[in-house]
Parts: sequence; C-alpha cells; structure tokens
Amino acid sequence: DAGITQSPRHKVTETGTPVTLRCHQTENHRYMYWYRQDPGHGLRLIHYSYGVKDTDKGEVSDGYSVSRSKTEDFLLTLESATSSQTSVYFCAISEGLEGLGYTFGSGTRLTVV
Amino acid sequence: GQQVMQIPQYQHVQEGEDFTTYCNSSTTLSNIQWYKQRPGGHPVFLIQLVKSGEVKKQKRLTFQFGEAKKNSSLHITATQTTDVGTYFCATGRSQGNLIFGKGTKLSVKP
Repeated sequence: DAGITQSPRHKVTETGTPVTLRCHQTENHRYMYWYRQDPGHGLRLIHYSYGVKDTDKGEVSDGYSVSRSKTEDFLLTLESATSSQTSVYFCAISEGLEGLGYTFGSGTRLTVV
Repeated sequence: GQQVMQIPQYQHVQEGEDFTTYCNSSTTLSNIQWYKQRPGGHPVFLIQLVKSGEVKKQKRLTFQFGEAKKNSSLHITATQTTDVGTYFCATGRSQGNLIFGKGTKLSVKP
C-alpha cells in the first residue's frame, strides 16, 4: 500500500550475522508493528511501537530488538540470525482508531543459511 | 493468552460455490477484524465488527459477529477466481495490538 515501504524485499544472510530490516511510513501513524509469517503459524507479533522511543515486546520477541527514533521509521534487528528466523517479515501501521485496521507493507523475505 | 481459532485451515471450491470461514474464541472479544492476503502478497484490511450480532456486507462478502461476541464468520457468495487467497481474522488486545488467527486458505477451481 502507498505510505509504507519495507526494505530490503529479499535478503539471504548467514547464521550468526546481525540483520536489520527497515520499515518506513509516510502516514504519520503513531503505531507500528513487526510480524513474522510462517506456514502453519499465521502472523505472529514480534515487537510494536506506540510512539517515538516507545516500544514493547510481542509474543515472539526472543532474538529480536527494535528501535524507533523517528515517527516514520521502525527498525527490526536480528541480533545474531538463526535458521529458525527464516521467515517473511511484515511491518504494519495503524492510527490506533476504531475501525481503521492495519496497513501492511509488502514484506521482507529473509533466508538464514 | 487470548487466542482466536479459525476453521477450516483449507477450503477448495468450484467457482460459483459459496465459501465460509469461521473464527472462534473461548473468551468474549471486543472486536473482530478480517483481512485478505492474496498469494505472494500482504494482508489487506477488509472490515471490523464491534457490536453483538453485527452483520456487514461488502458486495458478495458477508461478515457476522456472534451474539455472545465469541465467534465470527466470513461468507462469500458465488466465489470467483479473484477470491483466491488466505483470509485471516484478528482481534484487538488490551495493549492495543492485534492477535491473528492462523487463516483459512481458499482455492477456487475455474
């Protein structure tokens, strides 16, 4: 959707290396989220942010950290990538208002070899 | 923690047949959202239901929220090949984020 971009779109990395995924929005939305999607598990929340420098853990946060120094950018870092972190990562944004739902980015396909 | 269970996991239909996916919870839900994800794409928000017994329609799609607010359904009348994809329900948690069901993957045979 217009207004939210993820980079890179695809990445292959080696086990043990750090990886940073970027989510950029131009909607000035307060809330930003990182989800991972795996077959059989649906979408699972990794971390989320409710404002600049305000972040919290989701249900699968181990091995991941996030930072949000500006409203428009939300970074997801895999501190030391493992094969279990091979997944498709989606960023989403929300105004937090009733009925408007989340807007998702196009996703990053990460392969850890 | 709060969970939403979706059934069925997969559904294969002939074009023109109807399709229904269900979302169930053991606890009362404050709201239900529905998303569609096309193959290779990202989830796209369809609708939110918040009231007990609420029914909303979008062309051939009918969304319902149960009277007890513990279940919801998405019904598609006369499926088309453009309906192919995975349909997710999601519900809001107290922290303000969403928890998603595992989705129902719909395939449509022309």
